[in-house]
Amino acid sequence: EPEVTQTPSHQVTQMGQEVILRCVPISNHLYFYWYRQILGQKVEFLVSFYNNEISEKSEIFDDQFSVERPDGSNFTLKIRSTKLEDSAMYFCASSPDSIYGYTFGSGTRLTVV
Amino acid sequence: DQQVKQNSPSLSVQEGRISILNCDYTNSMFDYFLWYKKYPAEGPTFLISISSIKDKNEDGRFTVFLNKSAKHLSLHIVPSQPGDSAVYFCAASASGTASKLTFGTGTRLQVTL
Repeated sequence: EPEVTQTPSHQVTQMGQEVILRCVPISNHLYFYWYRQILGQKVEFLVSFYNNEISEKSEIFDDQFSVERPDGSNFTLKIRSTKLEDSAMYFCASSPDSIYGYTFGSGTRLTVV
Repeated sequence: DQQVKQNSPSLSVQEGRISILNCDYTNSMFDYFLWYKKYPAEGPTFLISISSIKDKNEDGRFTVFLNKSAKHLSLHIVPSQPGDSAVYFCAASASGTASKLTFGTGTRLQVTL
């Protein structure tokens, strides 16, 4: 069964550093998403991406965050100047259209120290 | 922000019996609802969805019921199996599609032998 692949599975970074979380969506999918889950809290929407541009973003997704699809396969989330409160599980997801439930990756656990 | 609420953090059911997981929402603009299952160290897995124009949707052992007037939905699993033990998330969308999702806090289901 096709999978959404996320790397790395765990990233530890120092406060103030930049991190890039990487995702390889399912190849024929057109819609891409990032969500995050802070420990003990709910899964929160960050951003959706379609046709090489952001289609929607949450209030969490401020100037500290950016997304990119640098080539035909990767979808990245960049977090500039990380803060302690950015520590969370970050999930990438993709879907073939905007109607059906997404396929999520296994997540990247980001720990900011 | 508690637009989607799952008031039972945990539920224990015997194998073979029915599991009923509940979800309430407050945003009357939500018109598309989904259930996801999540195992530890994995991303959420899509289970079943329902549009607001329906009150029931069935897929194998899983049935979702929607009561729009009460702003309540439920997931029924019959019969419950040990492999169903996981955290179940209710999610909702306001756009009629599965684009931006608002998740509940999850219910941990334990199916016992």
